Amino acid sequence: DAMVIQNPRYQVTQFGKPVTLSCSQTLNHNVMYWYQQKSSQAPKLLFHYYDKDFNNEADTPDNFQSRRPNTSFCFLDIRSPGLGDAAMYLCATSRDFARGSNQPQHFGDGTRLSIL
Amino acid sequence: DQQVKQNSPSLSVQEGRISILNCDYTNSMFDYFLWYKKYPAEGPTFLISISSIKDKNEDGRFTVFLNKSAKHLSLHIVPSQPGDSAVYFCAARGTTPLVFGKGTRLSVIA
Repeated sequence: DAMVIQNPRYQVTQFGKPVTLSCSQTLNHNVMYWYQQKSSQAPKLLFHYYDKDFNNEADTPDNFQSRRPNTSFCFLDIRSPGLGDAAMYLCATSRDFARGSNQPQHFGDGTRLSIL
Repeated sequence: DQQVKQNSPSLSVQEGRISILNCDYTNSMFDYFLWYKKYPAEGPTFLISISSIKDKNEDGRFTVFLNKSAKHLSLHIVPSQPGDSAVYFCAARGTTPLVFGKGTRLSVIA
């Protein structure tokens, strides 16, 4: 039973053409995260939503934006994809992440983005 | 600046033997550590975790050890099975959400 669902699994877009990746969850978790993972690299956190509060990592390019219209859905928008944005994009959720609240993150299977 | 380091990109172990995966960290503010397992074409799956107030946590064949003074944790899998072949990520939480290592690819040979 998939609990964090990412669509599509594979996405091909053209250089500079906006693209949106989708994530949904059935866990009713407060926090949703987006990670970028390149080959043989660690997943890198781009941003997260704690409920409706958006938290951007300091080194996330302006080209990357996110929307969370409700608890269940979160979107990653790449406004003008460059060749360097080709990667696996992972969505994750957790109930909380505050210190003392030891809640693991649950990941979707990712969307592999290719740029032509 | 890598705060979580997995220095072995790969590890091969025979079926039935112990697998030991290692992870080092630099940030003394980390208070919660996790191991994730990842099969090809799937997302990471949570495996086991440990709070910084403990030095050991066990779940079936999986045990995580934490040595705070050395800023080191390890995952022991015993006995190793072919189905354990995957990439294992170490992750840590401090004042921000998780920081991941680059992963270690474990191959369990039958």
